[in-house]
Amino acid sequence: EPEVTQTPSHQVTQMGQEVILRCVPISNHLYFYWYRQILGQKVEFLVSFYNNEISEKSEIFDDQFSVERPDGSNFTLKIRSTKLEDSAMYFCASSLSGGPTDTQYFGPGTRLTVL
Amino acid sequence: GNSVTQMEGPVTLSEEAFLTINCTYTATGYPSLFWYVQYPGEGLQLLLKATKADDKGSNKGFEATYRKETTSFHLEKGSVQVSDSAVYFCALTDNNNDMRFGAGTRLTVKP
Repeated sequence: EPEVTQTPSHQVTQMGQEVILRCVPISNHLYFYWYRQILGQKVEFLVSFYNNEISEKSEIFDDQFSVERPDGSNFTLKIRSTKLEDSAMYFCASSLSGGPTDTQYFGPGTRLTVL
Repeated sequence: GNSVTQMEGPVTLSEEAFLTINCTYTATGYPSLFWYVQYPGEGLQLLLKATKADDKGSNKGFEATYRKETTSFHLEKGSVQVSDSAVYFCALTDNNNDMRFGAGTRLTVKP
């Protein structure tokens, strides 16, 4: 069964450094998402992406974050200058269509630790 | 805004016990409702969903019914197994497609 994959599974970085989290969505899906889960807290929506553009973003997704689909398969989340509070599990998801009834399929997550 | 409230855990049950995890929602439109499960060390997996009022989602012995009158989507299973031990998340999507999650309920099933 097709699945969303994410790399790395765990990333440790120093405060102020840039990180890029990578995702390979399911191949025929058109909508892509990033979510994060700070330890012990809810899973929170960050951004959705369609047709090479951001379609929605939350208030969490400020100027330090960016997303890109650099080729036909990868979808990346860049955090420009990491802060301690960026430590979290980051989940990528994809869906075939962007409608509210469509299922979003999640990857296994990347645990980001900012020291 | 849209939000999901689910029963706080942790929940500990013996094998073959009946499970209910409560979930209620607040939404401005007509949301779709989901239950996701997260097994230890893994990502979020869709367990079941319902996209309109009175729909029942079911999978692997779990079921949940979309109740508009009580704005609820409670998860139930008649007889849990040790392998059901996981964290369960209730979630919704509304007119846009950003998914709103509940806080998650950790279930531990003991033999």
